[in-house]
Amino acid sequence: KAGVTQTPRYLIKTRGQQVTLSCSPISGHRSVSWYQQTPGQGLQFLFEYFSETQRNKGNFPGRFSGRQFSNSRSEMNVSTLELGDSALYLCASSLGQGLLMAGELFFGEGSRLTVL
Amino acid sequence: SQQGEEDPQALSIQEGENATMNCSYKTSINNLQWYRQNSGRGLVHLILIRSNEREKHSGRLRVTLDTSKKSSSLLITASRAADTASYFCAPVGSQGNLIFGKGTKLSVKP
Repeated sequence: KAGVTQTPRYLIKTRGQQVTLSCSPISGHRSVSWYQQTPGQGLQFLFEYFSETQRNKGNFPGRFSGRQFSNSRSEMNVSTLELGDSALYLCASSLGQGLLMAGELFFGEGSRLTVL
Repeated sequence: SQQGEEDPQALSIQEGENATMNCSYKTSINNLQWYRQNSGRGLVHLILIRSNEREKHSGRLRVTLDTSKKSSSLLITASRAADTASYFCAPVGSQGNLIFGKGTKLSVKP
């Protein structure tokens, strides 16, 4: 069974640009969550999607957005990039949502974004 | 928020020794999970303990949960160099989403 796949693995952008990251969950998983990891702030929750609907959202500005498609694949977008957006962006999938999601999360290897 | 806070922030031990990491949280939980992250990689689920459980084992891992103190501990016995990683706890509350702490960075020296 294929794991969670994130693309691209590495990318470099400049301030003001926008970026789209992609996540393909494990087959059969309907919930996808996104996290931002930086040395200073640690792992911060961005948002969670289930059945194409955003169910939970972390405390990030509106420049961070996401969506989920009918096949459960998810994308997140960051517009007007800032230097502080440099981070490892991790996607995780699970079978359920909410308390149903309270089981194991399966993480991808992440997309490392560098903003110059 | 049900964010977990791990303690200590960093831990360095010799191979063969036991490693204990602690996690505290603030609100009631449905369950609490522990994850491991090797440098720059994705997180890997280690163990889940439900709010009505007090102790759980998985191989060399032992997790305890004290809901009255809102704390959990992860014990790795007979540590190996391959256990070198960051360890995160994630208390899961009523909304179900996992909020991670900053982790404990474990270094096991051969």
